Amino acid sequence: DADVTQTPRNRITKTGKRIMLECSQTKGHDRMYWYRQDPGLGLRLIYYSFDVKDINKGEISDGYSVSRQAQAKFSLSLESAIPNQTALYFCATSDRTTSGSRSEQFFGPGTRLTVL
Amino acid sequence: SQKIEQNSEALNIQEGKTATLTCNYTNYSPAYLQWYRQDPGRGPVFLLLIRENEKEKRKERLKVTFDTTLKQSLFHITASQPADSATYLCALGGDSNYQLIWGAGTKLIIKP
Repeated sequence: DADVTQTPRNRITKTGKRIMLECSQTKGHDRMYWYRQDPGLGLRLIYYSFDVKDINKGEISDGYSVSRQAQAKFSLSLESAIPNQTALYFCATSDRTTSGSRSEQFFGPGTRLTVL
Repeated sequence: SQKIEQNSEALNIQEGKTATLTCNYTNYSPAYLQWYRQDPGRGPVFLLLIRENEKEKRKERLKVTFDTTLKQSLFHITASQPADSATYLCALGGDSNYQLIWGAGTKLIIKP
C-alpha cells in the first residue's frame, strides 16, 4: 500500500463550489505539506503543518484552508472554487530530523482538480 | 525575488550517454539543494540532497554538484537508460526557512 494517499485522484467541479481534498499517510511523519503544480511552474507551497496544533501558511494560501485532523491526516479545502485554482495538487510528508529542515519529502500521487 | 531556473526544453539523450541537467538560482543562499524525479501522473520522488559545504554527491549512476559561487547545481546520469526518462526537479532550502523553493523541472528523454 502507498505510504501517502490522496483522495480523490481526479475532480471536476464548478465555480463557487466547496471542495475538500484529503491526504493520509502511514509513514508516521510529523510534517505534512500541500502544494499545487501548474504547467511551466515549480511546485508552490499552499500550507504546511509540523504537528496537529501547528499549521502555517505557505506562499499561496489565499483561497485555501486546511485541517490537520490527526498526525496522519491533512485535508485541503477550497471554500469557493474558481477556475484559476485548476491545477495538480500534491500532499507531501517529511520526518523531523536532527538536521532541521533538510529531510526529504515524500509525495502522494496527486489530485487533478478542474474548476469550470 | 528568489528564482530557480531549469531548462524548460526537453533534453534528448542517446542511451548509454551521460545526461546533464542544470539548476540555476538567483537572490538566494540555500543551505542545501535536493533533486527529485517525477513521472507522468505521479508525485515527485526524492533522489539526492547536497549541502552548501559539499561540492559533489554520488549515488549509483547519479552525481550532483553544487557550486555556490556560480549559484548552480548540475545533475548527471551516467550510462543513461530509457527508464531514466522523466522530469527532474531541483528544490532549494535554507536552515531557517522550512519551505523548499522548486524549479519547474526539465524533461529528460533517453532514446534507445
